[in-house]
Amino acid sequence: DAGVIQSPRHEVTEMGQEVTLRCKPISGHDYLFWYRQTMMRGLELLIYFNNNVPIDDSGMPEDRFSAKMPNASFSTLKIQPSEPRDSAVYFCASRGDGNSYNEQFFGPGTRLTVL
Amino acid sequence: QKEVEQNSGPLSVPEGAIASLNCTYSDRGSQSFFWYRQYSGKSPELIMFIYSNGDKEDGRFTAQLNKASQYVSLLIRDSQPSDSATYLCAVTQMDSSYKLIFGSGTRLLVRP
Repeated sequence: DAGVIQSPRHEVTEMGQEVTLRCKPISGHDYLFWYRQTMMRGLELLIYFNNNVPIDDSGMPEDRFSAKMPNASFSTLKIQPSEPRDSAVYFCASRGDGNSYNEQFFGPGTRLTVL
Repeated sequence: QKEVEQNSGPLSVPEGAIASLNCTYSDRGSQSFFWYRQYSGKSPELIMFIYSNGDKEDGRFTAQLNKASQYVSLLIRDSQPSDSATYLCAVTQMDSSYKLIFGSGTRLLVRP
């Protein structure tokens, strides 16, 4: 298995532009998590899905952020409009329900820079 | 008060020594505790998990949990320069076993 796949790996955009981050979870995993990591705030959970349904989005910072999971193999995190304070590394992680110890497998991350 | 607290470090130890990393948490209902290692520029990877009070050993790593004191630690024996990384403590919340709350991490430097 290729693990969790994220694209793009790096994104540089200008303030006000729309940004879309993509994630493909590990096949068979039914939980998908979006995290954001910054030096100031560390690793924060933004939202997670179970069987493609959003379960908890309490970590989504503002209405500018939205996430979808149209099917079991694809999820997007969209920021519109983007702001410089959104600059961070965004990680996607997935977990299988048959996992007895709740391990989440992280993707390589997308480093977002908003100018 | 942060929910999961770690000393940011850096913690510097000589090669071959024992590195001791500590973490405290605020949610008394937390049931599962994890240690992730994150190399610079890379994603976190799970190295240890523990559910029960006491010690759990896996190779050079030992996780220790004390729920009464709300304290979890990670010991790395015979530290190697390749162990130099940031170690993140993560805890599940009482109302959700799927949500992980991460500490800010402790940076470990192992000097050759």
